[in-house]
Amino acid sequence: AQKVTQAQTEISVVEKEDVTLDCVYETRDTTYYLFWYKQPPSGELVFLIRRNSFDEQNEISGRYSWNFQKSTSSFNFTITASQVVDSAVYFCALSLSGGSYIPTFGRGTSLIVHP
Amino acid sequence: NAGVTQTPKFRVLKTGQSMTLLCAQDMNHEYMYWYRQDPGMGLRLIHYSVGEGTTAKGEVPDGYNVSRLKKQNFLLGLESAAPSQTSVYFCASSYSRGQPTRNQPQHFGDGTRLSIL
Repeated sequence: AQKVTQAQTEISVVEKEDVTLDCVYETRDTTYYLFWYKQPPSGELVFLIRRNSFDEQNEISGRYSWNFQKSTSSFNFTITASQVVDSAVYFCALSLSGGSYIPTFGRGTSLIVHP
Repeated sequence: NAGVTQTPKFRVLKTGQSMTLLCAQDMNHEYMYWYRQDPGMGLRLIHYSVGEGTTAKGEVPDGYNVSRLKKQNFLLGLESAAPSQTSVYFCASSYSRGQPTRNQPQHFGDGTRLSIL
């Protein structure tokens, strides 16, 4: 069975601080995919990134970066120079390549960025 | 670009009433999902479908039924609403035939806020 743990329930920072959201996953499969989604206060869920288990390259997109480490089963998300608009709930998810392909979500981390 | 459309957006029911939530997608996706979101619980999968005419139970299926008679539509029914079903419901879809993997990102609707009194 697969599992995703987002141990940080809520993080509060002041604008311009860097912040890292942790995601730890469990699976016995060797082929799998990891995702991050953002849910702003308006409520919609928006896809941010997908990474497969064979690609451990870190990714940077503007102020966002993702650090995938198979050795620690982690796929952490860092926001550099946070802004108020980054305030949202962020979800990490895992899906296996095979079986039902249905993703397992973590419980989410609520990020509050204060001006 | 409609994407995934959920109707209605808000609804208040009395205990024991029934209703159907409609999800429609225009991306020709094979997979569709219904989730409920409650404070502190994240997203919990109710039912899902991997193709027209097929449905399967998720993590919390009790009290709900679904149907996927047309590929673009996925209906969620509450047979006899209970206060415990007060929640925000999200529909999602993913994966088009021909994509290299079925592990595609999900596209979500805007949600339906349902209150059961």
